[in-house]
Amino acid sequence: QKEVEQNSGPLSVPEGAIASLNCTYSDRGSQSFFWYRQYSGKSPELIMFIYSNGDKEDGRFTAQLNKASQYVSLLIRDSQPSDSATYLCAVRTNAGKSTFGDGTTLTVKP
Amino acid sequence: SAVISQKPSRDICQRGTSLTIQCQVDSQVTMMFWYRQQPGQSLTLIATANQGSEATYESGFVIDKFPISRPNLTFSTLTVSNMSPEDSSIYLCSVHTVGVLFGQGTRLTVV
Repeated sequence: QKEVEQNSGPLSVPEGAIASLNCTYSDRGSQSFFWYRQYSGKSPELIMFIYSNGDKEDGRFTAQLNKASQYVSLLIRDSQPSDSATYLCAVRTNAGKSTFGDGTTLTVKP
Repeated sequence: SAVISQKPSRDICQRGTSLTIQCQVDSQVTMMFWYRQQPGQSLTLIATANQGSEATYESGFVIDKFPISRPNLTFSTLTVSNMSPEDSSIYLCSVHTVGVLFGQGTRLTVV
């Protein structure tokens, strides 16, 4: 079992729709949870982080964390073509090591 | 937030040769991290570079293949030694902030 698993994708949504990206993790000692966006040919960039159970909203992005289910998700509202990218889920343990999922490629069609 | 400059941005190298990748941070950081991203795959941590001590390598990565230097708190190098086509990948240096802040990456092709 991978330490961090994401929807295999690819995911395609129409412009203006909600894109839902999901991630599960195996290490119950994970303390911090991150979502990165990676455009083709570019480095990943951090877009959201969440530490506590519940929802965290930032503009069109909402991160959701459920530690009991070891599940973290990212919702993108009013999806735009510019949101088309690969989204990487990452978890960090208390030891400070970050583990990344394989990513889900999102395409937003105009 | 910190700014990371990494070079070269890309290179094409002959098998059997070595390439050294440089990473400069505009502020002092205790730890720097080197990742590899193989085509179509996610990020794998190669090693953690600490100033003043040996780098800590992850399972599957060894110092002879990926020697790392960390001469001060703002600079690190990663060398990919005795390269083979399987080493073709993107190599990224990074530092921890809230999440992980990455350099621009080095796209390496070994022919």
